Amino acid sequence: AQSVSQHNHHVILSEAASLELGCNYSYGGTVNLFWYVQYPGQHLQLLLKYFSGDPLVKGIKGFEAEFIKSKFSFNLRKPSVQWSDTAEYFCAVTVYSSASKIIFGSGTRLSIRP
Amino acid sequence: EAQVTQNPRYLITVTGKKLTVTCSQNMNHEYMSWYRQDPGLGLRQIYYSMNVEVTDKGDVPEGYKVSRKEKRNFPLILESPSPNQTSLYFCASSLSPTSGWETQYFGPGTRLLVL
Repeated sequence: AQSVSQHNHHVILSEAASLELGCNYSYGGTVNLFWYVQYPGQHLQLLLKYFSGDPLVKGIKGFEAEFIKSKFSFNLRKPSVQWSDTAEYFCAVTVYSSASKIIFGSGTRLSIRP
Repeated sequence: EAQVTQNPRYLITVTGKKLTVTCSQNMNHEYMSWYRQDPGLGLRQIYYSMNVEVTDKGDVPEGYKVSRKEKRNFPLILESPSPNQTSLYFCASSLSPTSGWETQYFGPGTRLLVL
């Protein structure tokens, strides 16, 4: 069965530190990949998505992610985090074999120290 | 304004008392879905609907029902709620599930406590 793994459950960083959140998926076929962010008390918002083309995807708020097919990974990065980036981040995958299904990772809570 | 709305936003109920959480979208989206969010488990899909009168089970459908009589509405029904259904529920919609996987738009969430 397809699955999405986010190995970092809670990441704590200081402001201006660089961020990388890991996301790995298990599926050998064509995938679409997403990162969503959930700020405290709010609903999920899309940060960025990968459907095809350039594997380096730029999203909102200075975030980017790189799709590495050989590693089944889609890690999220930001060169310099801000206190306002404190949130929970979810990686998600959809697969073409069951186009109506989206699978979410368990989430990574990011806490930024001011 | 394009949006997905859910009601109620907060609900406390008792075991066995039937409840319905409504979800409505104003974007003429074909695809709608319900998720529950639990700590350490991320979001898990409960049910989804590809279009009017077309619904199917997600990963955790037990104890839930849905209906899709109109394109804009996709209510989630708990016929006999139990404490293990205490969770945060999100409704989402997207234009179509097959045209390159359009972005899903999420509702604000419904926090349910079953005593």
